[in-house]
Amino acid sequence: EVQLVESGGGLVQPGRSLRLSCTASGFTFGDYAMSWFRQAPGKGLEWVGFIRSKAYGGTTEYAASVKGRFTISRDDSKSIAYLQMNSLKTEDTAVYYCTRDGGSGSYYFDYWGQGTLVTVSS
Amino acid sequence: QSALTQPASVSGSPGQSITISCTGTSSDVGGYNYVSWYQQHPGKAPKLMIYDVSNRPSGVSNRFSGSKSGNTASLTISGLQAEDEADYYCSSYTSSSTDWVFGGGTKLTVL
Repeated sequence: EVQLVESGGGLVQPGRSLRLSCTASGFTFGDYAMSWFRQAPGKGLEWVGFIRSKAYGGTTEYAASVKGRFTISRDDSKSIAYLQMNSLKTEDTAVYYCTRDGGSGSYYFDYWGQGTLVTVSS
Repeated sequence: QSALTQPASVSGSPGQSITISCTGTSSDVGGYNYVSWYQQHPGKAPKLMIYDVSNRPSGVSNRFSGSKSGNTASLTISGLQAEDEADYYCSSYTSSSTDWVFGGGTKLTVL
């Protein structure tokens, strides 16, 4: 059974940093691109960014709203994807979800974690 | 302001059919067959219901179907059931600076 479990959320002051983790199980982690999404309280979904599998260079792409502040990385030996968030702003407050991409060449996200809440407030 | 436009709410009675629209542009919905739909119950993670416009993942009921015409995609749910009550989000790959865009979500109420 595919499982994605996010961790690392919490309360952080504006301007500080936080690192989220997404621990995967039930599939060959290294074969898949992994994405992060977020959902502000009472709002819709927003794509944050993704990291390709090593077979596709392990490169990353980001939404304009987080580019230069957020970094996605992966440790295939541990089946973990990370979201490093720097220079946090109050508008980054959201539930953050990690997802598995549907497979090579896919443009959808077939498994989602339960999410972890990040609150940016002084 | 979401990149894709969905109705804020739709409703239907058990057994009826409803359709949720998702309107974008030629840079997203109209330009690619990469529209997907997600169901989200309150306090839960989104669940993939339709991908690549009209494909259903394994395990998703065949009461759910998707289509697209021009810049508008649609999700149809037939034989409405109480457990279908949820928020539904459409998403599309886009050629803009943000690789994926979403609709603002549609709250489905089963009367």
